[in-house]
Amino acid sequence: EADIYQTPRYLVIGTGKKITLECSQTMGHDKMYWYQQDPGMELHLIHYSYGVNSTEKGDLSSESTVSRIRTEHFPLTLESARPSHTSQYLCASSAANTEAFFGQGTRLTVV
Amino acid sequence: AQSVAQPEDQVNVAEGNPLTVKCTYSVSGNPYLFWYVQYPNRGLQFLLKYITGDNLVKGSYGFEAEFNKSQTSFHLKKPSALVSDSALYFCAVRDVRDTGRRALTFGSGTRLQVQP
Repeated sequence: EADIYQTPRYLVIGTGKKITLECSQTMGHDKMYWYQQDPGMELHLIHYSYGVNSTEKGDLSSESTVSRIRTEHFPLTLESARPSHTSQYLCASSAANTEAFFGQGTRLTVV
Repeated sequence: AQSVAQPEDQVNVAEGNPLTVKCTYSVSGNPYLFWYVQYPNRGLQFLLKYITGDNLVKGSYGFEAEFNKSQTSFHLKKPSALVSDSALYFCAVRDVRDTGRRALTFGSGTRLQVQP
């Protein structure tokens, strides 16, 4: 198992609530990523980070935001959750010549 | 731009038979190629990668993949399938020249069903 952790694993929340999905890695990797996995299985990159204080939008537009204040921590925030945000969110990290390591994912349901 | 195609949504195979999950890719430069497996309600687990060198790559759980540059393919194979191999399989690519973002582009996934 890779040393990258996501919490919570499952979250059911009402529309309009603010949520933060946590992601932490203990491998010292510089690059971190958030992918959104829709019910059709495809994974789409929504955010990535080069390192501390460096974040960028990914290929798929997302209303979520991210921060990278510490190397090991890359939380994702939704200021006002909507049913369209219902999805699985996967966090990953990588070093220069390694594959990406993924967390277990957070399955978010907005009701 | 880079892309991955997994032409089969689902592959069905009997236990003990060989299996192949197909993947073709497109990148501007040379590729780094990866296979991941996903079990229900879990994250992605790394299976194997092609970086450079031998075109036949061996990975976890008896899986292997062959890099074919002329056909831009990286098919996943296993000589003898197990019921426990039933899962969702993703092929991914990254351009060797991408030393910045280093994000993977994934295929749409192939569900492997191994029947007892």
